[in-house]
Amino acid sequence: QVRLVQSGAEVKKPGSSVSVSCKTSGAMFDTYSISWVRQAPGHGLEWVGGIITLSGTPKYAQKFQGRATITADESTYTTNMDLSGLTSEDTAVYYCARQWAGIVYWGQGTLVTVTS
Amino acid sequence: DIVMTQTPLSSPVTLGQPASISCRSSQSLVHSDGNIYLSWLQQRPGQPPRLLIYKISNRFAGVPDRFSGSGAGTDFTLKISRVEAEDVGVYYCMQATQFPWTFGQGTKVEIK
Repeated sequence: QVRLVQSGAEVKKPGSSVSVSCKTSGAMFDTYSISWVRQAPGHGLEWVGGIITLSGTPKYAQKFQGRATITADESTYTTNMDLSGLTSEDTAVYYCARQWAGIVYWGQGTLVTVTS
Repeated sequence: DIVMTQTPLSSPVTLGQPASISCRSSQSLVHSDGNIYLSWLQQRPGQPPRLLIYKISNRFAGVPDRFSGSGAGTDFTLKISRVEAEDVGVYYCMQATQFPWTFGQGTKVEIK
């Protein structure tokens, strides 16, 4: 059974950075892509960025260019997302997701709260 | 970016009655490998998204058979044959054919 387990909730001050990790367990071969998606309170799902594992080059949504950094280590099935320059608008639940054979597996989510 | 448009945004349903949600993509979702990576997600309050359907019509493991997906081209549909109380939540279509992944606005299913 595939499981994506994310790191715990974070409380950050405006202007600081946050790092969220995601580790996959269970059979997961030849993952096609990995993405990070966020959901602000009361809002829908928003793609932050992702990596197509064969190419290894991360892509980011335009609004996160220069602020988000996504890395993946497929030898350990771990992915990380760093987000800098935090503002209150970055308060959200952040999800990692892996796409394999068309199936998208989701992590349990990590709440990031930005508050002074 | 591919825009995903869902209708309706709210769906009050009587228990035991069917429900249907439509999703339209702004362009083709055919990947270079020939597959169409259109999925349906269910999100209950306070829970992460749960995969229901992948590649248009494939039910994910453990998903009840009252859920079905269909579609072709740029028009896709999720149907619930007989709504149960546990089906209350928000449903999203999403495309993972290309970056950026994009999502519909969400359809809130509630019991009348």
